[in-house]
Amino acid sequence: GAVVSQHPSRVICKSGTSVKIECRSLDFQATTMFWYRQFPKQSLMLMATSNEGSKATYEQGVEKDKFLINHASLTLSTLTVTSAHPEDSSFYICSASSGLDGYTFGSGTRLTVV
Amino acid sequence: KNEVEQSPQNLTAQEGEFITINCSYSVGISALHWLQQHPGGGIVSLFMLSSGKKKHGRLIATINIQEKHSSLHITASHPRDSAVYICAVRSLGGSNYKLTFGKGTLLTVNP
Repeated sequence: GAVVSQHPSRVICKSGTSVKIECRSLDFQATTMFWYRQFPKQSLMLMATSNEGSKATYEQGVEKDKFLINHASLTLSTLTVTSAHPEDSSFYICSASSGLDGYTFGSGTRLTVV
Repeated sequence: KNEVEQSPQNLTAQEGEFITINCSYSVGISALHWLQQHPGGGIVSLFMLSSGKKKHGRLIATINIQEKHSSLHITASHPRDSAVYICAVRSLGGSNYKLTFGKGTLLTVNP
């Protein structure tokens, strides 16, 4: 079946540094990639939607200059958390769609900013 | 009120019990998804439904479009079924295949 590989699974970084999270669709073309954030015991919160080759669409309240999304190819999308702060500590997860109502989720990245 | 409501929020069962998790939604949808999230965080897509019923192993998912309701059933539950089960819908006319999620049901199956 369809697989999305997300890396890293865990990352600890110092406040003020940037962290890049990568999602690759391994055996299908991801025309659309969704990036979510999840706080403990909460549901998934959509941060942004990106289509290959175009700028990401950010949800209200999500800072596009802080959460940089790149979807340069049909198999790779990246989320960069810039100038990370402790409040950015969270679980980030991507989901890829090939446009046929199917979604494949990555395994998630737990970010801790110290 | 959330567009997608799940019940119960928490469910504890003994191994072997029959489990039902419910999902109600308030908008017209093109598809409903049941997802499973394990303690490590990774999410697995269990079912995608637009009508009727689907079965995969011990899991059964049903949907009633008229009543805007779906159920996920687990037969002969096992401790390895312990996870958060999430209902998500794609609205009719929704752009970009965006999903709306329920808050999830935490299932704990005790041996």
